[in-house]
Amino acid sequence: DSGVTQTPKHLITATGQRVTLRCSPRSGDLSVYWYQQSLDQGLQFLIQYYNGEERAKGNILERFSAQQFPDLHSELNLSSLELGDSALYFCASSVDPGQSGNTIYFGEGSWLTVV
Amino acid sequence: DAKTTQPPSMDCAEGRAANLPCNHSTISGNEYVYWYRQIHSQGPQYIIHGLKNNETNEMASLIITEDRKSSTLILPHATLRDTAVYYCIVRSGDSWGKFQFGAGTQVVVTP
Repeated sequence: DSGVTQTPKHLITATGQRVTLRCSPRSGDLSVYWYQQSLDQGLQFLIQYYNGEERAKGNILERFSAQQFPDLHSELNLSSLELGDSALYFCASSVDPGQSGNTIYFGEGSWLTVV
Repeated sequence: DAKTTQPPSMDCAEGRAANLPCNHSTISGNEYVYWYRQIHSQGPQYIIHGLKNNETNEMASLIITEDRKSSTLILPHATLRDTAVYYCIVRSGDSWGKFQFGAGTQVVVTP
């Protein structure tokens, strides 16, 4: 158990809908990362937050957005869903991404199926 | 961050040591080598990381060559539960943001 909690574990929704994935980082971690893993692709970095502020952006679609709240939990919002958005979405957390040798720890993921 | 090259797959017999190579010839002085693994559709699991010295923990050993252009992850006594995709990542210690995951090495441990 990494200490990173993601909900829901599984989600099935229809095209065009909107969903929210939630992540609680490990106790004491200030930074949250979101990754997407599709069947035909590897782990793709989406976005990172540190202490409530966006710090790095990867291959995140405009239909997707995220935020980190004062209690440090994070939400990833996916809207206007398409079949191709079906994937595993992972959240990871770390103490301070600016520190040397910083390590990130992953949650167990949220399976999203768009039908 | 430097790119890494790993073999796409390798097999290992149960009980034997598994030696997983990683090439990172463009690594720079402040970049760390990290290893993670992902057991089918589970969250990636941190294994070990190092800068230039060899490192060992309860899971594995990390051997980094003197010129730091390559490294080897050693699983000393592979078990069936070690079957997973293993990712070698090079990341700057002061790099805000992403750990970039490549394709990794699919390791299959056989009885």
